[in-house]
Amino acid sequence: GAVVSQHPSWVICKSGTSVKIECRSLDFQATTMFWYRQFPKQSLMLMATSNEGSKATYEQGVEKDKFLINHASLTLSTLTVTSAHPEDSSFYICSARALGGLKETQYFGPGTRLLVL
Amino acid sequence: GENVEQHPSTLSVQEGDSAVIKCTYSDSASNYFPWYKQELGKRPQLIIDIRSNVGEKKDQRIAVTLNKTAKHFSLHITETQPEDSAVYFCAASTPNQGAQKLVFGQGTRLTINP
Repeated sequence: GAVVSQHPSWVICKSGTSVKIECRSLDFQATTMFWYRQFPKQSLMLMATSNEGSKATYEQGVEKDKFLINHASLTLSTLTVTSAHPEDSSFYICSARALGGLKETQYFGPGTRLLVL
Repeated sequence: GENVEQHPSTLSVQEGDSAVIKCTYSDSASNYFPWYKQELGKRPQLIIDIRSNVGEKKDQRIAVTLNKTAKHFSLHITETQPEDSAVYFCAASTPNQGAQKLVFGQGTRLTINP
């Protein structure tokens, strides 16, 4: 149980285009989803926390107009990288906290590798 | 906010030996400390966790210790095997108005030499 999927698993796009990444909880409802970014050989950095039906809370230094997050249902959150540039190339990972589950526990998705040319 | 420091950044041990990775945290309100193993290009996988009301927890070859006074916690892997080679991350979580955020350490690249 507690499976989180992401789509796509990898994407290559041209500079200036927008890319949408989906994060789904497959067998549980997620009240909260988290979006992380991981650059090569670095740690996971939290970008934002999203709660179903409300606006996402962004971490300091993360541009909310560039990284649009929508958490429209208890099983789906999306991250849109708008006007992507090469410096946005990274590994984007989501995680989800289960409704009714331990509030500390996060289930991670497999990640989406973004390459902006 | 919370800050987590992890050491060493790389660790190489002989197969069968033990490996120890250490982390310190800054926020005394943190109450949950998970450890993740991440293989190249894959998602982080939870391998063990400990809550602040416990000083030590063990699961087969893996153990975690927590010293709340000193604000540090450690991962111990005994009888290491080649498949233990990966990057390991510690994290600390602080209760904050509902969902707890995880703050990760910088990671330790563990290599097990056959």
